[in-house]
Amino acid sequence: DAKTTQPPSMDCAEGRAANLPCNHSTISGNEYVYWYRQIHSQGPQYIIHGLKNNETNEMASLIITEDRKSSTLILPHATLRDTAVYYCIVRANYGGATNKLIFGTGTLLAVQP
Amino acid sequence: DSGVTQTPKHLITATGQRVTLRCSPRSGDLSVYWYQQSLDQGLQFLIQYYNGEERAKGNILERFSAQQFPDLHSELNLSSLELGDSALYFCASGTPVADTQYFGPGTRLTVL
Repeated sequence: DAKTTQPPSMDCAEGRAANLPCNHSTISGNEYVYWYRQIHSQGPQYIIHGLKNNETNEMASLIITEDRKSSTLILPHATLRDTAVYYCIVRANYGGATNKLIFGTGTLLAVQP
Repeated sequence: DSGVTQTPKHLITATGQRVTLRCSPRSGDLSVYWYQQSLDQGLQFLIQYYNGEERAKGNILERFSAQQFPDLHSELNLSSLELGDSALYFCASGTPVADTQYFGPGTRLTVL
C-alpha cells in the first residue's frame, strides 16, 4: 500500500471550512484514498473514500488531483465536535477479502471557537 | 453508534495473566479486524478474520491469538501479559460490498 504524508496538526475556526491535505505520490492505479477520523480515544470513524473522481457525502468532500498524487478532505462547516485526528489511508480494494488499514500518524485538527 | 460492540469496556489485570476481549460485528458483516493502539505505537493492525477463517496477520505477538465463531463474533486472547500490552484494543467489522470498516468503542486494557 502506498505511503501517505499529512501535516501533524492544523487549526480551523468554527463554522469555516477545514481543508486537510494528504500526499500520496506513490499511489497505484488500483488504490483508493480513504479518510478516517478518531475523536479522542474513541474508535476510528469512516468518513469517505474515492478512486479518482471527487466524492461527497453527508460528512465531507474528497478532492483528488488529476494525477492522483494528492488529495484534500474538506469539512465544509467545521464544528467543535470535528476536533479529531484525521487519517488519510491509501489502499487497494479487495472487496472485503483482506483490507487491513495501515494508519499513519494523521493530522490533529483543532477547531477553535 | 457504529453497530460494533466490544466487551469489556475496561480491563485491569496483572502481569502474567490472560484476558479475553470480545467483539460482535455489525449485522451482515463477515470480516472482523483487531487493532491495538498504544501511546508509542499508534494504531496498529493485529489480525483479520473473514467468515470464520484467518485472512491477514499484522504485528500480532505470539502471546496473542484470536478466533471468529460461527455466529461471527470474535475473541482476542492475550496471555502472559506484560506492562507494554497496556493499550486500547479496537475491533472493526467490514462490509464486503462497500469495503469500509466500522470500529467499536474499544477495550482499554491496563496491565499493572
